[in-house]
Amino acid sequence: LAKTTQPISMDSYEGQEVNITCSHNNIATNDYITWYQQFPSQGPRFIIQGYKTKVTNEVASLFIPADRKSSTLSLPRVSLSDTAVYYCLDNGMDSSYKLIFGSGTRLLVRP
Amino acid sequence: EAGVAQSPRYKIIEKRQSVAFWCNPISGHATLYWYQQILGQGPKLLIQFQNNGVVDDSQLPKDRFSAERLKGVDSTLKIQPAKLEDSAVYLCASSARTGWDREDSPLHFGNGTRLTVT
Repeated sequence: LAKTTQPISMDSYEGQEVNITCSHNNIATNDYITWYQQFPSQGPRFIIQGYKTKVTNEVASLFIPADRKSSTLSLPRVSLSDTAVYYCLDNGMDSSYKLIFGSGTRLLVRP
Repeated sequence: EAGVAQSPRYKIIEKRQSVAFWCNPISGHATLYWYQQILGQGPKLLIQFQNNGVVDDSQLPKDRFSAERLKGVDSTLKIQPAKLEDSAVYLCASSARTGWDREDSPLHFGNGTRLTVT
């Protein structure tokens, strides 16, 4: 059973900023929040990870409020190539921790 | 660094036949995972190894699925006999996780083996 909840799908247009929110109400103190991106016929690919506040890399930003019960993946100025499924996971630091994927959010970027 | 390698890329078999998938993780990665991904769904964890020991196989259908990781490197996943509902993509992933790490090490996935059971 997935520990996170995300919208099933989202639509956007090229050049827009896209924000995908994930709920993880039962996140544990030591859990990180990680987002993956998956294109058709490929395995998921790591995008970004955070513990609290804001994390930014060359691909995306991740916003985590103080209570850590949700997180928002922000993709600035999306392009057609950002059309993919996006998964959020909350995962513990213990190597025996199960990494459980939900159904993800299918993002469609239109011209 | 080289990524996670999986083979074959595609496999078509008839029900009740057997099939095996192979995975070579990123060099030095202690933790290896096999996931099953049915079309339209997220990946489902089948089994997790740390080095050559099984950490979790609670969702592996052990009556027909088996997996091993010899010498803590390569891994094989076998299905015998296959059923129609086993049609899916089988993904292998590896991670540098070794235990209680200071930061979480993300998963690195291969491109999977697409299995069709007819």
